[in-house]
Amino acid sequence: NAGVTQTPKFQVLKTGQSMTLQCAQDMNHEYMSWYRQDPGMGLRLIHYSVGAGITDQGEVPNGYNVSRSTTEDFPLRLLSAAPSQTSVYFCASSYHTGPGGYTFGSGTRLTVV
Amino acid sequence: DQQVKQNSPSLSVQEGRISILNCDYTNSMFDYFLWYKKYPAEGPTFLISISSIKDKNEDGRFTVFLNKSAKHLSLHIVPSQPGDSAVYFCAASSGSTSYGKLTFGQGTILTVHP
Repeated sequence: NAGVTQTPKFQVLKTGQSMTLQCAQDMNHEYMSWYRQDPGMGLRLIHYSVGAGITDQGEVPNGYNVSRSTTEDFPLRLLSAAPSQTSVYFCASSYHTGPGGYTFGSGTRLTVV
Repeated sequence: DQQVKQNSPSLSVQEGRISILNCDYTNSMFDYFLWYKKYPAEGPTFLISISSIKDKNEDGRFTVFLNKSAKHLSLHIVPSQPGDSAVYFCAASSGSTSYGKLTFGQGTILTVHP
């Protein structure tokens, strides 16, 4: 039982490049979400999904796309990387209807130069 | 506009003493509150939660108190242990309508000295 797996763990991009951060969970969780963590800002919600085929925007969605074609996977796409997207990205999933059961991945540290 | 605030960036306590971490919120629609613990290079780990219908919830050494009139919650750790040294985030949700969307505070770094 791997939980929530994020790849890659580290990534350096040049401004304007695109990439996809991968997130997979093997717990059959319905809810999945992406957060970014920046110094002094806590974690901020980028996008979330309540099930396959259903996604919605969070607090800071600009510059990011998501899709949820399966229950297990929830990739986050950076369309044209900018230095402001330098951050640590966390994927999380939950089986419960309430938020208490969220399980987080170990994060992807992204640097945009 | 920070809807969930942790005004103390850091807290230092002696092993065996009580640690009290504080959190304030502004959105009166929040009805579910959580604390997460985070070690370096790891993802946050769920610690304890409380619904707005309660004012206290205990789990072993951890107790969360909620004061709805003051829009304030606190996490008490008794007794504190060196392994508790981590970053603690409080988070809030308007659970019934938000599909589990969490709003986090900035975090408080707790250091427990042996």
